[in-house]
Amino acid sequence: DGGITQSPKYLFRKEGQNVTLSCEQNLNHDAMYWYRQDPGQGLRLIYYSQIVNDFQKGDIAEGYSVSREKKESFPLTVTSAQKNPTAFYLCASSRRGGVVSNQPQHFGDGTRLSIL
Amino acid sequence: DQQVKQNSPSLSVQEGRISILNCDYTNSMFDYFLWYKKYPAEGPTFLISISSIKDKNEDGRFTVFLNKSAKHLSLHIVPSQPGDSAVYFCAASAQKAGNNRKLIWGLGTSLAVNP
Repeated sequence: DGGITQSPKYLFRKEGQNVTLSCEQNLNHDAMYWYRQDPGQGLRLIYYSQIVNDFQKGDIAEGYSVSREKKESFPLTVTSAQKNPTAFYLCASSRRGGVVSNQPQHFGDGTRLSIL
Repeated sequence: DQQVKQNSPSLSVQEGRISILNCDYTNSMFDYFLWYKKYPAEGPTFLISISSIKDKNEDGRFTVFLNKSAKHLSLHIVPSQPGDSAVYFCAASAQKAGNNRKLIWGLGTSLAVNP
């Protein structure tokens, strides 16, 4: 049963603490993405990766970091530099994100991060 | 500056009737458009897409229409069912340098289908 798994579903962070959100996919997709959704807003792209060991900043990368050491995994770290981290975080994957194939993105069920 | 606009935050229709969700865009370089459906506390689910070389794409109860001159697309759901109640997002993309594409998302329209 292929899909994208995000964990945990809910996460609480203390002030000044870094936290890491997990995203794993078994769809054999090359590209992976992290989005943030705030109430009443659309999805905003944080980081994306088209291939292993490579990633690019999205529109709101400040205060976040990622790694892509394995094709299946694209963890997102919310650092203490992110001053407003409370949001719903969504991970997605797709086949090659290039122009050759306009492949739709498949999403996980998200992680809701809150500040204690 | 919102490049993809869904001007109706919410829409309510009767079961069995047609639901029409609208989306406008400003960037004439967009050449691929998608609709996603999202239930609360879940990730968006891909519904249907359309390339700019077409003006209509149909998949079961869902049809997307594209009017390039007006920079407007719409999603028609016929007949609407209570299970269609969700937030619908319109997204668009354009080819960038290095074959990279990025999706630009609208803010969503919340559809309520009443029994």
